[in-house]
Amino acid sequence: KQEVTQIPAALSVPEGENLVLNCSFTDSAIYNLQWFRQDPGKGLTSLLLIQSSQREQTSGRLNASLDKSSGRSTLYIAASQPGDSATYLCAVQGGSEKLVFGKGTKLTVNP
Amino acid sequence: GAVVSQHPSRVICKSGTSVKIECRSLDFQATTMFWYRQFPKQSLMLMATSNEGSKATYEQGVEKDKFLINHASLTLSTLTVTSAHPEDSSFYICSASKGPSPPYEQYFGPGTRLTVT
Repeated sequence: KQEVTQIPAALSVPEGENLVLNCSFTDSAIYNLQWFRQDPGKGLTSLLLIQSSQREQTSGRLNASLDKSSGRSTLYIAASQPGDSATYLCAVQGGSEKLVFGKGTKLTVNP
Repeated sequence: GAVVSQHPSRVICKSGTSVKIECRSLDFQATTMFWYRQFPKQSLMLMATSNEGSKATYEQGVEKDKFLINHASLTLSTLTVTSAHPEDSSFYICSASKGPSPPYEQYFGPGTRLTVT
């Protein structure tokens, strides 16, 4: 059974700092990995999707990497801003299309 | 684009009543739709997978008679919480996949906050 773990559970940083969020998964037989953002009481916003054959994806100040063999992914946020404050969720997808989510990292960027 | 809507966004109902939540893919046809539940400070848990025109597949521990799912068209799936109780209060989120070929990316709706009093 696939399990996804995200560390840390919460992170507070000053504005402008670069930061890394971590995600690990137990079964490396994944089809893709996705990072989402969730604001309080809201749905999910897809940030980046990495196919199993890819090593990383970039979008603006965000960079996600994937090491499938070791079961790890990182989300790098450059020059963090208060507007980046949210919960970041990592999810992996196997061949059945099902997404398995981690519990998320709650990020607070202080002005 | 790939926009998914949910209705209602928020609902309060009395214990014992039933509540229907709609999930629509607005600009694409969704071969598969998924229903998730999220309790406070917890992650999303998949409840069921539905394909248009066929019965939903429920995850272990999810009561199919309590959470009725209908996927009547390629753009609409509904979740009905029957005889709701306070413990059913949660945030329900749907997603839709264009499928049937990879990459199977899921597009998420904005969620429905259900409160059962």
